[in-house]
Amino acid sequence: GEDVEQSLFLSVREGDSSVINCTYTDSSSTYLYWYKQEPGAGLQLLTYIFSNMDMKQDQRLTVLLNKKDKHLSLRIADTQTGDSAIYFCAESVEIYGQNFVFGPGTRLSVLP
Amino acid sequence: DAGVIQSPRHEVTEMGQEVTLRCKPISGHNSLFWYRQTMMRGLELLIYFNNNVPIDDSGMPEDRFSAKMPNASFSTLKIQPSEPRDSAVYFCASSEQRGGANEQFFGPGTRLTVL
Repeated sequence: GEDVEQSLFLSVREGDSSVINCTYTDSSSTYLYWYKQEPGAGLQLLTYIFSNMDMKQDQRLTVLLNKKDKHLSLRIADTQTGDSAIYFCAESVEIYGQNFVFGPGTRLSVLP
Repeated sequence: DAGVIQSPRHEVTEMGQEVTLRCKPISGHNSLFWYRQTMMRGLELLIYFNNNVPIDDSGMPEDRFSAKMPNASFSTLKIQPSEPRDSAVYFCASSEQRGGANEQFFGPGTRLTVL
């Protein structure tokens, strides 16, 4: 079945880069996503990558996909205190991407 | 657009009571999802609807849980009778099915506490 795993916690210092890792099991995943959840709020889409890509960059965010190892990462450059949140990796395996499987989330703490 | 609207934002009830959570998806979206989030189990998909029809309810924990979507602009998640282990944050999300990457837009959640 589908399974998405992430480390649960990450602490970095303000200004450093953060790298959040994710592994998934379903090789037929079509899209992989990163969502951000701030305290007391719902999840918001940060970025996504199509499975035939290996990298996507969007301002401070860089997504790397290693399809052979089923490994996805999110790099946040120049991490700020406002980046403190829970980051969820998710995969969708259907053509229309409706059936999402979310990972457990990584709680990122940014220290001053 | 106001985004996905959920009500109530907080609900405190006693064990055995009926609880109804409400969701208004974003206008024009044709898919709606109910999730439950707890510290122990993370984010769990309970059920999702496409064009008001339930497609996958395999995540619904047990018969005490039921969900309906009578029209494209409204859905409910009902728990009857409620139990303390149902305490969680319940999220509703909606998306527009169009092929390709489909962003799910989440509501602010309903924090349910069952005493």
